[in-house]
Amino acid sequence: SAVISQKPSRDICQRGTSLTIQCQVDSQVTMMFWYRQQPGQSLTLIATANQGSEATYESGFVIDKFPISRPNLTFSTLTVSNMSPEDSSIYLCSVPGSRGGYTFGSGTRLTVV
Amino acid sequence: GQQLNQSPQSMFIQEGEDVSMNCTSSSIFNTWLWYKQDPGEGPVLLIALYKAGELTSNGRLTAQFGITRKDSFLNISASIPSDVGIYFCAGQVGRQGAQKLVFGQGTRLTINP
Repeated sequence: SAVISQKPSRDICQRGTSLTIQCQVDSQVTMMFWYRQQPGQSLTLIATANQGSEATYESGFVIDKFPISRPNLTFSTLTVSNMSPEDSSIYLCSVPGSRGGYTFGSGTRLTVV
Repeated sequence: GQQLNQSPQSMFIQEGEDVSMNCTSSSIFNTWLWYKQDPGEGPVLLIALYKAGELTSNGRLTAQFGITRKDSFLNISASIPSDVGIYFCAGQVGRQGAQKLVFGQGTRLTINP
């Protein structure tokens, strides 16, 4: 399975600022996914990021709030813009596994104060 | 949209007991996945199921893909302390190249030694 490195692992940010989360994969993948996991909750898909095309956002998530870059087949970033305390969550990236299933990064734990 | 109903939400058991949890949906999924998430980590894939009726084991874990493609269960036999964590079911929808995962709400497993 792919190995995913996600940075930062955690951060405490002031409201109104933005944070960019990086996801690096050790192999080339067409599809990358970004999830949000609010405290004590399950995972919710934010968007699908395919290299060479615009990210596809799920209902309730918009590009202005969560801009995504996908410059190549091994890297993606998710920015959480104009943050508020409600954005405090764990943000995870994920890629399809070579033998099925999906592999997840260890997540970025964001606290907005 | 698709929703997965996972139960129970939490379990408190004695070490050595067997555990059973399940997920149901009104929607059909083409793949069912079971994940375990430890604190501070991303979900880790336990079992992947690809065909209706499929029964698959991974050590002390056994999972089945329901015949209707709308449900799945996960059993853990002879639980040990390292089984503690949150277990998520996830169903895959969408065609190849546009697939995505929908997650259940999770089952939090606590084991009393």
